[in-house]
Amino acid sequence: AQSVAQPEDQVNVAEGNPLTVKCTYSVSGNPYLFWYVQYPNRGLQFLLKYITGDNLVKGSYGFEAEFNKSQTSFHLKKPSALVSDSALYFCAVRDQVNNAGKSTFGDGTTLTVKP
Amino acid sequence: DAGVIQSPRHEVTEMGQEVTLRCKPISGHNSLFWYRQTMMRGLELLIYFNNNVPIDDSGMPEDRFSAKMPNASFSTLKIQPSEPRDSAVYFCASSGQANYGYTFGSGTRLTVV
Repeated sequence: AQSVAQPEDQVNVAEGNPLTVKCTYSVSGNPYLFWYVQYPNRGLQFLLKYITGDNLVKGSYGFEAEFNKSQTSFHLKKPSALVSDSALYFCAVRDQVNNAGKSTFGDGTTLTVKP
Repeated sequence: DAGVIQSPRHEVTEMGQEVTLRCKPISGHNSLFWYRQTMMRGLELLIYFNNNVPIDDSGMPEDRFSAKMPNASFSTLKIQPSEPRDSAVYFCASSGQANYGYTFGSGTRLTVV
C-alpha cells in the first residue's frame, strides 16, 4: 500500500520569505514522488518529480523539493515566495514497481503568500 | 499537444437526468484517470484505465456512475440518474510511463439542481 500525508492544511508566509510545504510518504518499495499545484478554477499542474539520483530536484516557477529517504519526506521549498504562488499544492507518491502506475495524492495544502 | 481535453467545461442539469462527461487524453499516454473534487471530500480517484482496460473502479461511488474507454483517445464518465450530491468538479488525467507525472484536464464543473 502507498500513502501520502500533508500535515498542514494551510501555510501562510510573507512575500519574499522562504516557504516550505511538507509531505511525508509511505510505500513498500522505492517511490516516485511528485508535486502539483492547483490555481483557482484550474486543473492540477505538474511542478516537479523525484525519480532517482540527486535528492534535490528543481521544478517550475523556482520551486524545488528535497527527497529524504530516512525521513520518508519530500518537502516543497522556494527561497523567496511570491503572492502569485498562492494556490493549493498536492504531493503524490507512486510505488516504482507496484500499483500499475497509480499515484496516491495527499489532501492538499493551501499556500497563502501575503504582500 | 493540446493537453488533456475535457468537455463540457460546465454542465448544469436537473436531478434525475443523465450526464456524460468526455475526455481526450494526450496521444501516447496509456493510463487515464477520472477524479472528482469537492470542498468536503477533496480530490477523489473514481476509476483508472491502463491501455483502455479498467484497472481499479473502487472509487466509483455508486452504480449510477459508469466509465468507458472505447479506444486510446477517448473516455466517458456517465452519471445516470444524477443527484444534487454529485455536484463537483470532475477531472480527467492521463499519464505515460510510471515515472511520468499526470497531465490533468481543465475539469468539468457539474451542478445538479
